[in-house]
Amino acid sequence: EAGVAQSPRYKIIEKRQSVAFWCNPISGHATLYWYQQILGQGPKLLIQFQNNGVVDDSQLPKDRFSAERLKGVDSTLKIQPAKLEDSAVYLCASSPAGGNIQYFGAGTRLSVL
Amino acid sequence: SQQGEEDPQALSIQEGENATMNCSYKTSINNLQWYRQNSGRGLVHLILIRSNEREKHSGRLRVTLDTSKKSSSLLITASRAADTASYFCATDAYLASKLTFGTGTRLQVTL
Repeated sequence: EAGVAQSPRYKIIEKRQSVAFWCNPISGHATLYWYQQILGQGPKLLIQFQNNGVVDDSQLPKDRFSAERLKGVDSTLKIQPAKLEDSAVYLCASSPAGGNIQYFGAGTRLSVL
Repeated sequence: SQQGEEDPQALSIQEGENATMNCSYKTSINNLQWYRQNSGRGLVHLILIRSNEREKHSGRLRVTLDTSKKSSSLLITASRAADTASYFCATDAYLASKLTFGTGTRLQVTL
């Protein structure tokens, strides 16, 4: 069974630039999550999708972050414009509908200079 | 915001020794899970314990849960160098699949 795929693995940008991350969840998983993990901390949930609908985006900085999951499968997370404090690893995870266990991708490490 | 606080922040032991890490959380939970994260990688699920359970075992892992103290512990017995990683507890509330992670314990196992 293929795991959660994320790309790119690394991205370096300057502040005020835009960046996008892509995630392809495990086939058949209805729920998709995006997390932000700052160095030395645990992951913080940014947004949760159930199929193509948003379940929770309470911690997403909506003035600069956006995410979509148009066909209920893969998803993109965008930051526009980026700030220095956005430097972090962005993790995507998925789970079956109603499942408790989440399966994580390897993440995208973003450095904002 | 982080739900859990883990203790210790860092732990260094020798191969063959046991490692114990603790997690405290703030609000009522439905389940508590432990995840491992190797450097530069995503998180991997280790074990889940439900709020009505007190102890659970999986291989070399033993998890306890004390809901009255809002705390959990993860014991890794006979540690190996391959156990070197960060360990996170994560909680979810009733009818919510959202996980809230703790701050993590960095475990270093040396030969």
